[in-house]
Amino acid sequence: DIVMTQSPDSLAVSLGERATINCKSSQSVFRSFNQKNYLAWYQQKPGQPPKLLIYWASIRESGVPDRFIGSGSETDFTLSITSLQAEDVAIYYCQQYSTAPPGALSFGGGTKVELK
Amino acid sequence: QVQLVESGGAVVQPGTSLRLSCAASGFIFSDYAMHWVRQAPGKGLEWVAVISYDGTNKFYAESLKGRAIISRDNSKNTMFLDLNSLRAEDTALYYCARVGFVSSWFAWFDYWGQGTPVSVSS
Repeated sequence: DIVMTQSPDSLAVSLGERATINCKSSQSVFRSFNQKNYLAWYQQKPGQPPKLLIYWASIRESGVPDRFIGSGSETDFTLSITSLQAEDVAIYYCQQYSTAPPGALSFGGGTKVELK
Repeated sequence: QVQLVESGGAVVQPGTSLRLSCAASGFIFSDYAMHWVRQAPGKGLEWVAVISYDGTNKFYAESLKGRAIISRDNSKNTMFLDLNSLRAEDTALYYCARVGFVSSWFAWFDYWGQGTPVSVSS
């Protein structure tokens, strides 16, 4: 199974500054047949379910502010929040979906973003 | 609007069984594969199981293989997760989630329920 490793575990960022979260997969999640990276990002606030932010590594879900930017390919990915707002304080998870059944979907361990 | 509502979570003793339900509305339930994802207290997300749109194919995480059965009733827009031989490490909030597009089992999750809590303790 593919192991997803996020870094850092937590980071503190000032309002208006940039937050950068890294996600590394133990195997490539890029598929050459469709040229897509099978990687999604979620935001989870306390007491709430995860909310989809990004899929196909860089496509923003409808309604997600454009300050959230997903990038990367193969095994190394980044979620950037270009100008942190107070409402962005949350835990962020990456998820790979390149594995076909009977393999498993897998999530990164999460990165907690706090205000400095 | 799409809604997923889980129920059935409870405080149970080790070795017992539980049936979780996920009631769906606001979309054509029978068009989508559906998943269960769990989150232990203070921990990250763990994928649990998937069922295909028509219920004919099911796959499970290794941690629950042989102890969980996923099923669905498309006539009632409801998915189920039967958990057996429950262990303390199964304690978690169990979410149901819709796969992000119709033609895939494995994809991102675009809608999640609020979760139903399962606590396994003697």
